[in-house]
Amino acid sequence: QKEVEQNSGPLSVPEGAIASLNCTYSDRVSQSFFWYRQYSGKSPELIMSIYSNGDKEDGRFTAQLNKASQYVSLLIRDSQPSDSATYLCAVIFFSGGYNKLIFGAGTRLAVHP
Amino acid sequence: GAVVSQHPSRVICKSGTSVKIECRSLDFQATTMFWYRQFPKQSLMLMATSNEGSKATYEQGVEKDKFLINHASLTLSTLTVTSAHPEDSSFYICSARDLRQGSAYNSPLHFGNGTRLTVT
Repeated sequence: QKEVEQNSGPLSVPEGAIASLNCTYSDRVSQSFFWYRQYSGKSPELIMSIYSNGDKEDGRFTAQLNKASQYVSLLIRDSQPSDSATYLCAVIFFSGGYNKLIFGAGTRLAVHP
Repeated sequence: GAVVSQHPSRVICKSGTSVKIECRSLDFQATTMFWYRQFPKQSLMLMATSNEGSKATYEQGVEKDKFLINHASLTLSTLTVTSAHPEDSSFYICSARDLRQGSAYNSPLHFGNGTRLTVT
């Protein structure tokens, strides 16, 4: 069973703070990991991808990957109210002959002024 | 950047009718497309993998005779919900992988805007 686990939240942080979102996955051989953001009623939009252990930074976002612990995280610095959304962790699993992108349940982030 | 277009964005139909949803990759070719379904306050669940020129592969628990998938060209996949019932009401989202951005093993999926289906 290919699984991606996230805390559903809500995670509430004040404006300007760091929001930390966490994700674990079940398949040790997975190599490709993504964070998507989804606003209510909209389809997901890609924030970041990460493939190697360590940190990857893009603007206010930092993705962290630890393959030994099967753990991925996303840090959002200087959180803004516009960051309020559901953040989906996604992992590529190879199954049934295809590389499939499987999503976690998502963590709802609320940034309050 | 890669663009995936999905149509219609909203559809309301009566129970027992069929609904077709189209998914197009606008600026790249996609031999494989993926169809997801999302119920309120739940995550995206993969329904099936659509393959150009061959049969779709369905995830466990998804009825292939109810959710017909056709991938007739490298830029178009369609999902037909046959004999729709109220429990089929959901947000259906298609996606495709732009292999110009990597391989099937590591490139992200680009999503259409989704279709909100309401069956009355």
